[in-house]
Amino acid sequence: DTAVSQTPKYLVTQMGNDKSIKCEQNLGHDTMYWYKQDSKKFLKIMFSYNNKELIINETVPNRFSPKSPDKAHLNLHINSLELGDSAVYFCASSRYGYNEQFFGPGTRLTVL
Amino acid sequence: DAKTTQPNSMESNEEEPVHLPCNHSTISGTDYIHWYRQLPSQGPEYVIHGLTSNVNNRMASLAIAEDRKSSTLILHRATLRDAAVYYCILMTMNRDDKIIFGKGTRLHILP
Repeated sequence: DTAVSQTPKYLVTQMGNDKSIKCEQNLGHDTMYWYKQDSKKFLKIMFSYNNKELIINETVPNRFSPKSPDKAHLNLHINSLELGDSAVYFCASSRYGYNEQFFGPGTRLTVL
Repeated sequence: DAKTTQPNSMESNEEEPVHLPCNHSTISGTDYIHWYRQLPSQGPEYVIHGLTSNVNNRMASLAIAEDRKSSTLILHRATLRDAAVYYCILMTMNRDDKIIFGKGTRLHILP
């Protein structure tokens, strides 16, 4: 069984559209994360979220919003997509207070 | 910007030890030193982490300098499957907003 899964694996869309990427973990973790890996291969955290707290990287535009229907899921919604949003997005999870994170396989988003 | 500095790439022969260096001269007292690796077209994979003392696990060893301004990831016997980009990252508990993986070191393993 896949520990952290993401759908879709590839997402191609037009500028201005709204899209979502889904993430699910079956590890029983209570903290989940979203990362963005840009063309230069830098991987930067966007959000970390547990039941109590959402921590947002201050550089993330408010067009990006995480939504968690339950502890096992953290979906990423993106409004009004821009060309610069093209990147690979990774979801990850961990136990709260522990830094060992388990990553999903990534979603490659291409904005045309 | 990432708070760590690593060589862009390194090469090693299969079945030999590999020492991957990382400089983190601005490390703070609450920063843990983490290593992850990323195989092509996959998400990063946790390797090891430490605070002050050297650490060993089934994948690797982590040697931390006494002043904590540098560390070295040691793969004791490299295999072709160890070819990946290795990231050295500083993580502070409850400061997730500051996590940045730098460019890492691309490790090539020669058969």
